[in-house]
Amino acid sequence: NAGVMQNPRHLVRRRGQEARLRCSPMKGHSHVYWYRQLPEEGLKFMVYLQKENIIDESGMPKERFSAEFPKEGPSILRIQQVVRGDSAAYFCASSPADNRGYTFGSGTRLTVV
Amino acid sequence: QQQVKQSPQSLIVQKGGISIINCAYENTAFDYFPWYQQFPGKGPALLIAIRPDVSEKKEGRFTISFNKSAKQFSLHIMDSQPGDSATYFCAAGGTSGSRLTFGEGTQLTVNP
Repeated sequence: NAGVMQNPRHLVRRRGQEARLRCSPMKGHSHVYWYRQLPEEGLKFMVYLQKENIIDESGMPKERFSAEFPKEGPSILRIQQVVRGDSAAYFCASSPADNRGYTFGSGTRLTVV
Repeated sequence: QQQVKQSPQSLIVQKGGISIINCAYENTAFDYFPWYQQFPGKGPALLIAIRPDVSEKKEGRFTISFNKSAKQFSLHIMDSQPGDSATYFCAAGGTSGSRLTFGEGTQLTVNP
């Protein structure tokens, strides 16, 4: 079992570019969660998705951020027109059901220059 | 009301000692309280979790103590080892969904 796979591990973008972060959940898991971790801070919830559905996006900024989890393929977190304040580690987690006992990936570290 | 406050921010313990990290919450709807361990460059890994119907849960050297009336819970690491040096996060989840609210983290250093 390969666990939750996130790629890329590191991503550098210039201000104004788009960032695409990918997350493949553990085999058999149909629930995906995205969290953001700023330096020296805890994790902040962003969005909870099931296949083809956004269940809870209350933690997502209203502009520039979007997430999807298509029927086939990984979940994608997309950040348009990135700014310096978007620099953070973005973690994805997956679970087999709505049970909170989920597994995190190793994260994507986004740096905006 | 959604906050989880964690202390201390950093902790230094000698090998063999007891590490204690505390968390407090406000939202009485929370019903799931996990602790995560995170090493540099890695994602958080679930250590141990508790629900409010019990006051204590022990797994190996790790124990969660839970005080429902005070809305506080703590992690005790017995016989702390240098390999336990990591950042520890408490979290809380509610019945309304699957999101977790995390504390700010405690950086634990166990000296040999």
